[in-house]
Amino acid sequence: AQSVTQLDSQVPVFEEAPVELRCNYSSSVSVYLFWYVQYPNQGLQLLLKYLSGSTLVKGINGFEAEFNKSQTSFHLRKPSVHISDTAEYFCAVSDSGTYKYIFGTGTRLKVLA
Amino acid sequence: DGGITQSPKYLFRKEGQNVTLSCEQNLNHDAMYWYRQDPGQGLRLIYYSQIVNDFQKGDIAEGYSVSREKKESFPLTVTSAQKNPTAFYLCASSLQGGGGTETQYFGPGTRLLVL
Repeated sequence: AQSVTQLDSQVPVFEEAPVELRCNYSSSVSVYLFWYVQYPNQGLQLLLKYLSGSTLVKGINGFEAEFNKSQTSFHLRKPSVHISDTAEYFCAVSDSGTYKYIFGTGTRLKVLA
Repeated sequence: DGGITQSPKYLFRKEGQNVTLSCEQNLNHDAMYWYRQDPGQGLRLIYYSQIVNDFQKGDIAEGYSVSREKKESFPLTVTSAQKNPTAFYLCASSLQGGGGTETQYFGPGTRLLVL
């Protein structure tokens, strides 16, 4: 069965510093990958997704992620974070032909002034 | 504005009581989902519906029930059989369901607390 691992439960970073949030998934022939953001007491919002094609995916709010098939990873990056990026970030994966999306346990990003 | 609404924002349940969480969408999406979110556990799928009058159990369906009588609405009932219902409940929808490529759109959530 498909699975997703977000090893970092919390990541503190200073404002204007770069950040990388890690996501690894279990191997699959055909897989689709997503990053969602959740602000406190709100629902999730899509940041970006990888379906096929270029392995570097750009999303909203200056975030990007790189699909690495050999390392089964889909890490999220931002070159310079803002206080407003403080939120919880979820990586999700789905298989071709399925309705089911598997979510990671989330990484809480805390941007410090 | 198109979107998903969930009500109430907070819900309190007494011992042995059934409670129903509302989820409505005006995105004209066929597929709707219910997730449970607990701290440190991410989102777990409770039920899924791809079409009116049809739904499937997710990973943690025990103690929950749903209905899909209208395309726009997918209410979730937390029954007395659910012994640990305290959690944040999220409703989502996607265009058709299936295929694995669709973006899911989420509602703002309902926080259920036990008295």
